[in-house]
Amino acid sequence: SQQGEEDPQALSIQEGENATMNCSYKTSINNLQWYRQNSGRGLVHLILIRSNEREKHSGRLRVTLDTSKKSSSLLITASRAADTASYFCATDAGLGRNTGFQKLVFGTGTRLLVSP
Amino acid sequence: EAQVTQNPRYLITVTGKKLTVTCSQNMNHEYMSWYRQDPGLGLRQIYYSMNVEVTDKGDVPEGYKVSRKEKRNFPLILESPSPNQTSLYFCASSSRGNTEAFFGQGTRLTVV
Repeated sequence: SQQGEEDPQALSIQEGENATMNCSYKTSINNLQWYRQNSGRGLVHLILIRSNEREKHSGRLRVTLDTSKKSSSLLITASRAADTASYFCATDAGLGRNTGFQKLVFGTGTRLLVSP
Repeated sequence: EAQVTQNPRYLITVTGKKLTVTCSQNMNHEYMSWYRQDPGLGLRQIYYSMNVEVTDKGDVPEGYKVSRKEKRNFPLILESPSPNQTSLYFCASSSRGNTEAFFGQGTRLTVV
Protein backbone atom coordinates (compact mmCIF):
# COMPACT_ATOMS: atom_id res chain seq x y z
CA SER A 1 0.00 0.00 0.00
CA GLN A 2 1.28 3.44 -0.86
CA GLN A 3 0.78 6.17 1.65
CA GLY A 4 3.08 9.04 0.78
CA GLU A 5 2.58 10.96 -2.41
CA GLU A 6 5.26 13.46 -3.32
CA ASP A 7 4.70 16.61 -5.27
CA PRO A 8 6.08 17.62 -7.68
CA GLN A 9 7.19 14.45 -9.44
CA ALA A 10 10.12 16.33 -10.93
CA LEU A 11 11.78 19.64 -10.12
CA SER A 12 14.48 21.47 -12.06
CA ILE A 13 16.27 24.46 -10.53
CA GLN A 14 19.54 26.39 -10.71
CA GLU A 15 22.31 26.16 -8.17
CA GLY A 16 21.73 28.53 -5.28
CA GLU A 17 17.95 28.34 -5.50
CA ASN A 18 15.77 26.68 -2.90
CA ALA A 19 13.97 23.43 -3.61
CA THR A 20 10.68 22.52 -1.94
CA MET A 21 9.11 19.09 -2.10
CA ASN A 22 5.79 18.12 -0.58
CA CYS A 23 4.45 14.84 0.73
CA SER A 24 0.88 13.92 1.58
CA TYR A 25 -0.21 10.81 3.41
CA LYS A 26 -3.42 9.13 4.43
CA THR A 27 -3.32 7.62 7.91
CA SER A 28 -2.04 8.49 11.37
CA ILE A 29 1.70 8.18 11.75
CA ASN A 30 4.39 7.85 14.42
CA ASN A 31 6.94 9.73 12.37
CA LEU A 32 7.76 10.79 8.85
CA GLN A 33 11.18 10.42 7.28
CA TRP A 34 12.84 11.80 4.19
CA TYR A 35 15.35 9.82 2.18
CA ARG A 36 17.58 10.65 -0.73
CA GLN A 37 18.50 8.29 -3.57
CA ASN A 38 21.22 8.93 -6.09
CA SER A 39 20.47 7.28 -9.41
CA GLY A 40 19.96 3.54 -8.94
CA ARG A 41 21.72 3.48 -5.59
CA GLY A 42 20.63 2.86 -2.01
CA LEU A 43 18.50 5.24 -0.04
CA VAL A 44 20.17 7.48 2.50
CA HIS A 45 18.29 8.81 5.49
CA LEU A 46 18.10 12.60 5.65
CA ILE A 47 15.84 13.55 8.50
CA LEU A 48 13.09 12.18 10.76
CA ILE A 49 10.28 14.23 12.23
CA ARG A 50 8.04 12.81 14.92
CA SER A 51 4.28 13.21 14.91
CA ASN A 52 4.43 15.66 17.83
CA GLU A 53 6.96 17.90 16.07
CA ARG A 54 6.07 20.64 13.62
CA GLU A 55 9.44 21.63 12.21
CA LYS A 56 12.96 20.30 12.16
CA HIS A 57 16.25 21.53 10.72
CA SER A 58 19.40 19.75 9.70
CA GLY A 59 22.03 21.80 7.91
CA ARG A 60 20.44 23.08 4.69
CA LEU A 61 17.37 20.93 5.21
CA ARG A 62 14.15 22.09 6.77
CA VAL A 63 11.22 19.75 7.26
CA THR A 64 7.73 20.66 8.36
CA LEU A 65 4.91 18.39 9.40
CA ASP A 66 1.22 19.25 9.56
CA THR A 67 -0.62 16.27 10.99
CA SER A 68 -3.99 17.97 10.64
CA LYS A 69 -3.47 18.18 6.88
CA LYS A 70 -1.48 14.95 6.75
CA SER A 71 1.29 16.64 4.85
CA SER A 72 4.99 17.38 5.10
CA SER A 73 7.43 19.48 3.15
CA LEU A 74 11.17 19.26 2.63
CA LEU A 75 13.05 22.45 1.86
CA ILE A 76 16.62 22.36 0.61
CA THR A 77 18.16 25.81 0.78
CA ALA A 78 20.98 27.11 -1.42
CA SER A 79 20.92 24.00 -3.56
CA ARG A 80 24.03 22.56 -5.17
CA ALA A 81 24.54 20.36 -8.21
CA ALA A 82 25.41 17.55 -5.79
CA ASP A 83 21.84 17.71 -4.45
CA THR A 84 20.62 16.21 -7.73
CA ALA A 85 18.84 13.02 -6.70
CA SER A 86 15.42 11.54 -6.00
CA TYR A 87 13.83 12.36 -2.67
CA PHE A 88 11.32 10.12 -0.95
CA CYS A 89 9.11 10.62 2.03
CA ALA A 90 8.36 7.57 4.15
CA THR A 91 5.68 7.39 6.77
CA ASP A 92 5.89 5.13 9.78
CA ALA A 93 2.57 4.01 11.18
CA GLY A 94 4.22 1.29 13.27
CA LEU A 95 3.88 -2.44 12.97
CA GLY A 96 1.27 -2.43 15.69
CA ARG A 97 0.97 -4.96 18.50
CA ASN A 98 3.26 -2.67 20.53
CA THR A 99 6.25 -4.13 18.76
CA GLY A 100 8.08 -0.80 18.73
CA PHE A 101 9.15 -1.50 15.17
CA GLN A 102 8.45 0.73 12.26
CA LYS A 103 6.68 -0.03 9.03
CA LEU A 104 7.86 2.47 6.45
CA VAL A 105 5.58 3.19 3.53
CA PHE A 106 7.26 5.14 0.76
CA GLY A 107 5.92 7.56 -1.76
CA THR A 108 6.90 7.61 -5.41
CA GLY A 109 9.50 10.32 -4.97
CA THR A 110 10.48 13.70 -6.40
CA ARG A 111 13.32 13.83 -8.92
CA LEU A 112 15.38 16.94 -8.30
CA LEU A 113 17.78 18.28 -10.91
CA VAL A 114 20.07 21.12 -9.87
CA SER A 115 21.90 22.71 -12.77
CA PRO A 116 25.23 24.53 -12.29
CA GLU B 1 31.55 1.38 9.36
CA ALA B 2 27.84 0.77 9.84
CA GLN B 3 26.45 -0.77 6.71
CA VAL B 4 24.02 -3.08 5.00
CA THR B 5 25.63 -5.23 2.34
CA GLN B 6 23.71 -6.85 -0.49
CA ASN B 7 25.01 -9.30 -3.05
CA PRO B 8 25.02 -9.48 -5.95
CA ARG B 9 24.63 -5.90 -7.17
CA TYR B 10 23.51 -7.02 -10.62
CA LEU B 11 21.95 -10.30 -11.70
CA ILE B 12 20.50 -11.54 -14.96
CA THR B 13 18.77 -14.88 -14.79
CA VAL B 14 16.28 -17.00 -16.67
CA THR B 15 12.70 -17.74 -15.77
CA GLY B 16 12.38 -20.53 -13.23
CA LYS B 17 15.98 -20.68 -12.07
CA LYS B 18 16.10 -20.36 -8.30
CA LEU B 19 18.19 -17.51 -6.92
CA THR B 20 19.12 -15.96 -3.61
CA VAL B 21 20.03 -12.38 -2.89
CA THR B 22 21.99 -12.04 0.32
CA CYS B 23 21.75 -9.21 2.85
CA SER B 24 23.94 -8.67 5.87
CA GLN B 25 24.07 -5.86 8.43
CA ASN B 26 26.72 -5.11 11.05
CA MET B 27 24.70 -2.89 13.38
CA ASN B 28 23.05 -5.60 15.49
CA HIS B 29 19.64 -4.41 14.29
CA GLU B 30 16.64 -6.50 15.19
CA TYR B 31 14.50 -5.37 12.26
CA MET B 32 15.28 -6.16 8.64
CA SER B 33 13.18 -5.87 5.53
CA TRP B 34 13.20 -6.24 1.76
CA TYR B 35 11.78 -3.78 -0.73
CA ARG B 36 11.41 -3.70 -4.46
CA GLN B 37 11.50 -0.48 -6.40
CA ASP B 38 9.71 -0.11 -9.72
CA PRO B 39 9.24 3.02 -11.84
CA GLY B 40 6.21 5.01 -10.79
CA LEU B 41 5.51 2.74 -7.82
CA GLY B 42 8.14 3.80 -5.32
CA LEU B 43 9.42 1.23 -2.84
CA ARG B 44 7.14 -1.57 -1.77
CA GLN B 45 7.87 -3.88 1.12
CA ILE B 46 8.18 -7.58 0.31
CA TYR B 47 8.95 -9.21 3.67
CA TYR B 48 10.21 -8.13 7.03
CA SER B 49 11.69 -9.70 10.13
CA MET B 50 11.56 -8.48 13.71
CA ASN B 51 14.13 -10.92 15.00
CA VAL B 52 15.73 -14.31 14.43
CA GLU B 53 13.19 -16.84 13.19
CA VAL B 54 10.46 -14.15 13.10
CA THR B 55 9.41 -13.15 9.58
CA ASP B 56 6.21 -11.79 8.11
CA LYS B 57 4.77 -10.74 4.78
CA GLY B 58 4.91 -7.18 3.60
CA ASP B 59 2.77 -5.67 0.88
CA VAL B 60 3.99 -7.68 -2.13
CA PRO B 61 5.22 -11.07 -0.86
CA GLU B 62 4.01 -13.31 -3.71
CA GLY B 63 6.83 -15.21 -5.37
CA TYR B 64 9.36 -14.53 -2.61
CA LYS B 65 10.67 -16.29 0.48
CA VAL B 66 12.96 -15.12 3.25
CA SER B 67 14.71 -16.62 6.22
CA ARG B 68 16.29 -15.20 9.38
CA LYS B 69 18.51 -17.82 10.93
CA GLU B 70 21.03 -15.29 12.22
CA LYS B 71 20.46 -11.75 13.38
CA ARG B 72 22.80 -10.20 10.84
CA ASN B 73 21.58 -12.02 7.71
CA PHE B 74 18.28 -11.83 5.86
CA PRO B 75 18.42 -13.51 2.44
CA LEU B 76 15.71 -13.06 -0.19
CA ILE B 77 14.87 -16.21 -2.12
CA LEU B 78 13.11 -16.42 -5.47
CA GLU B 79 12.24 -20.08 -5.92
CA SER B 80 10.99 -19.71 -9.50
CA PRO B 81 11.67 -16.20 -10.81
CA SER B 82 9.41 -14.73 -13.44
CA PRO B 83 9.88 -11.67 -15.67
CA ASN B 84 7.51 -9.59 -13.51
CA GLN B 85 10.08 -9.87 -10.72
CA THR B 86 12.53 -7.84 -12.76
CA SER B 87 13.17 -4.94 -10.42
CA LEU B 88 15.60 -3.10 -8.17
CA TYR B 89 15.71 -4.72 -4.74
CA PHE B 90 16.78 -3.15 -1.46
CA CYS B 91 17.47 -4.62 1.92
CA ALA B 92 17.13 -2.38 4.96
CA SER B 93 17.67 -2.65 8.69
CA SER B 94 16.75 -0.59 11.71
CA SER B 95 16.47 -0.84 15.46
CA ARG B 96 13.39 -0.57 17.63
CA GLY B 97 11.68 2.80 18.03
CA ASN B 98 11.57 6.00 16.00
CA THR B 99 14.79 5.41 14.11
CA GLU B 100 16.17 5.70 10.64
CA ALA B 101 16.43 2.76 8.30
CA PHE B 102 19.77 1.84 6.75
CA PHE B 103 19.64 0.62 3.18
CA GLY B 104 21.89 -1.58 1.13
CA GLN B 105 23.16 -0.46 -2.26
CA GLY B 106 20.55 -2.42 -4.14
CA THR B 107 20.40 -5.45 -6.40
CA ARG B 108 19.25 -4.94 -9.95
CA LEU B 109 17.59 -8.17 -11.05
CA THR B 110 16.57 -8.98 -14.60
CA VAL B 111 14.58 -12.14 -15.29
CA VAL B 112 14.41 -13.12 -18.97
